[in-house]
Amino acid sequence: GAVVSQHPSWVICKSGTSVKIECRSLDFQATTMFWYRQFPKQSLMLMATSNEGSKATYEQGVEKDKFLINHASLTLSTLTVTSAHPEDSSFYICSASHSGTYNYGYTFGSGTRLTVV
Amino acid sequence: QKEVEQNSGPLSVPEGAIASLNCTYSDRVSQSFFWYRQYSGKSPELIMSIYSNGDKEDGRFTAQLNKASQYVSLLIRDSQPSDSATYLCAVLYNQGGKLIFGQGTELSVKP
Repeated sequence: GAVVSQHPSWVICKSGTSVKIECRSLDFQATTMFWYRQFPKQSLMLMATSNEGSKATYEQGVEKDKFLINHASLTLSTLTVTSAHPEDSSFYICSASHSGTYNYGYTFGSGTRLTVV
Repeated sequence: QKEVEQNSGPLSVPEGAIASLNCTYSDRVSQSFFWYRQYSGKSPELIMSIYSNGDKEDGRFTAQLNKASQYVSLLIRDSQPSDSATYLCAVLYNQGGKLIFGQGTELSVKP
């Protein structure tokens, strides 16, 4: 149980285009999901908290107009990287709590490797 | 600012030895602490969680927590080459339920 599916696993896009990444909780409902970004040899940096039915909460320094987050249902959150540039190339990972509380850790999606050319 | 600090390594140990990974955190209010393992190109997987002061053992892994010192550690006994990965310490900040990660320690277990 507690599976988080993330799609696509990798994507290459041209500079200036937009890319949508999906994160689904397969066997549980997730009112809150989290989006992280990881550059090579660096740790996971929290980008935003995605709340079902409401606006996402972005971390300091993350452009909310560039990284659009939609959490329209209890099992799906999407991250859209708009007008992508090469510096947006990174590993994007979503996570969700499966316990209904936060204390039991989070399950992570398999990640999306974005390359902007 | 909430911070989680780890030695980036790399930490190299021979097969069969004990690997010791350390982590400090800045927020005294935190109550939940986690260790994740991440293989190159993959997403993190949860190894251990710990909430109370003291030790918690699970197989070859032992997590240690000292809230007074704001210190968390992970011991891996009988290290195996398959344990070679980056180990991420994560602290749950109750406000908003955010899980904040340290920079990770790269562990290499030599056969």
